[in-house]
Amino acid sequence: AQTVTQSQPEMSVQEAETVTLSCTYDTSESNYYLFWYKQPPSRQMILVIRQEAYKQQNATENRFSVNFQKAAKSFSLKISDSQLGDTAMYFCAFIPNSGYALNFGKGTSLLVTP
Amino acid sequence: GAGVSQSPSNKVTEKGKDVELRCDPISGHTALYWYRQSLGQGLEFLIYFQGNSAPDKSGLPSDRFSAERTGGSVSTLTIQRTQQEDSAVYLCASSFTEDSDGYTFGSGTRLTVV
Repeated sequence: AQTVTQSQPEMSVQEAETVTLSCTYDTSESNYYLFWYKQPPSRQMILVIRQEAYKQQNATENRFSVNFQKAAKSFSLKISDSQLGDTAMYFCAFIPNSGYALNFGKGTSLLVTP
Repeated sequence: GAGVSQSPSNKVTEKGKDVELRCDPISGHTALYWYRQSLGQGLEFLIYFQGNSAPDKSGLPSDRFSAERTGGSVSTLTIQRTQQEDSAVYLCASSFTEDSDGYTFGSGTRLTVV
């Protein structure tokens, strides 16, 4: 079985500060993909960033970057220069190369305050 | 269309009634997924379509739930004899086959059973 764990149900950060959201996963697969999705109040899941497990280099998308530790099965998301529009639920997700269905964690609710 | 379209956006139904939820995926996306998101929970996988076939129905919670996809496009999720525990947001996503680039999600249908 493959599981994704997000240990922080809620987090808060001040505008312009940096925040890190944690995610760990469990799998016996060697090739897989990891994702962070953002879900604002509009409910639509938006892909934030994607990481291929066979790549050592951490993925970066503008203010969003990940710290991927394959041996530790850890995949944290760092948001730099937080903006009010970053307020949302953030979900970590995993899909093995041999599979098709994304496995999601339970999410972290992030509040960015002025 | 430009994105994944789901209808209705919100649905309130009486316990015991049947409901149909519709998903119109991105044109050309062969894979289609249904997820359920209950309050405070992550996304629960329900069913996956490749074309019109459903290789994996393992996530459907009970035999009251069924889904079909016609013409390799629109999908309908049907819940018969709705129960209060069926209240949730039902999210649909589509992708080019089993796409490791991640899915594109719709905005979901919020179902409330009263």
